[in-house]
Amino acid sequence: GAVVSQHPSRVICKSGTSVKIECRSLDFQATTMFWYRQFPKQSLMLMATSNEGSKATYEQGVEKDKFLINHASLTLSTLTVTSAHPEDSSFYICSASPGLAGANVGFFGPGTRLTVL
Amino acid sequence: QQQVKQSPQSLIVQKGGISIINCAYENTAFDYFPWYQQFPGKGPALLIAIRPDVSEKKEGRFTISFNKSAKQFSLHIMDSQPGDSATYFCAATTIKAAGNKLTFGGGTRVLVKP
Repeated sequence: GAVVSQHPSRVICKSGTSVKIECRSLDFQATTMFWYRQFPKQSLMLMATSNEGSKATYEQGVEKDKFLINHASLTLSTLTVTSAHPEDSSFYICSASPGLAGANVGFFGPGTRLTVL
Repeated sequence: QQQVKQSPQSLIVQKGGISIINCAYENTAFDYFPWYQQFPGKGPALLIAIRPDVSEKKEGRFTISFNKSAKQFSLHIMDSQPGDSATYFCAATTIKAAGNKLTFGGGTRVLVKP
């Protein structure tokens, strides 16, 4: 149980284009989803928290207009990197929570490697 | 502000040895402390977790020790195997409310030599 998928697993795009990453909870309903980015040999940095049906809460320093998050259903959240630039190249990981108190153990997706040329 | 400090950044251990990773936290509101294992190019996977009302928790070869007064906790990997070579992250959160975010340590890269 508690499987989280991400699509695509890897994407290469040209500078200036937009890229959408999907995060799905496959066997549970995710009231809350988290988006992280991870640079090589570094820890996970939380970008934003999204709750189903409401606007995402962004961490300080994360541009909300650049990283658009939509959590339209209890099993799907999307992260769109708009007008991507080489500095946006990173490993993006989502995490989903069933939304029950005490159950936020962080079920992570496999990650999406974004390379912006 | 890094609220969870993890050490060492990396360690090398011989097969069969013990790997020890330490974490310290500042926020006394934290009441749930999971450990994650991450292989290159993969997402983190929950390994083991502990609450502060327990001083030790063991699952197979993995043991968490918790010192509430010192605000420190550690992961011990007994009988380390080459397949344990990965990056390990400690984390902290509060579970009183739903969907609380995790605060991660900086990570420890473990290499187990055969």
